[in-house]
Amino acid sequence: EVQLVQSGAEMKKPGESLKISCQVSGDTFTKYWIGWVRQMPGKGLEWMGIIYPGDSDTRYNPSFQGRVTLSVDKSSKTAYLQWNSLRASDTALYYCARHRGSGVQWDFGFWGQGTLVTVSS
Amino acid sequence: DIVMTQSPDSLAVSLGERATINCKSSQSVLDSSKRESYLTWYQQKPGQPPKVLIYWASIRESGVPDRFSGSGSGTDFTLTISSLQAEDVAVYYCQQYYDTPFTFGPGTKVNIK
Repeated sequence: EVQLVQSGAEMKKPGESLKISCQVSGDTFTKYWIGWVRQMPGKGLEWMGIIYPGDSDTRYNPSFQGRVTLSVDKSSKTAYLQWNSLRASDTALYYCARHRGSGVQWDFGFWGQGTLVTVSS
Repeated sequence: DIVMTQSPDSLAVSLGERATINCKSSQSVLDSSKRESYLTWYQQKPGQPPKVLIYWASIRESGVPDRFSGSGSGTDFTLTISSLQAEDVAVYYCQQYYDTPFTFGPGTKVNIK
């Protein structure tokens, strides 16, 4: 059974950095793209980007490129989403999710539980 | 980017009645060679992550009740709940996975009338 377990809620100040994690179990980590989805309070789903753990090939949504960095650690089967300088507008619930199939053109068949990030002075 | 739109924004349906949600993409998400549309429907209940209901526009995910069905091709798609149950109260999203960024629709909220 594929499981994605995300790190816990974070409370940060504007300008601070942050790295949240998503540990994957139950299948070959390097074979499937993993992505991140933002859900701002009371709003819809926004596709941020995906990363292929096999070679760290990454596709960003232009709306998020330059603001966040996706990375993986193959040894711990963990994906990361990182900010260098948070803004209040980054306050949201962030989901990691894994592609259903082993190619780029797939939907998210498996989801983490979400990590709430709150940015406030 | 491919822009996804959904209609209506919300709907209220009586228990046992049909609910229909529409999704439209700004360009075709049909792979002509595979004859598949790269379109998925998700259900999100409060406090939960989204869950796949339908993928390839019309293939029901394993374990999803058969009252959920998807149809359409190219740019126009429909999710139908044939007989609404109380547990179907949720927000429903479509997503295209034809071209990155794999955009979501804005969501349709379904309630009981």
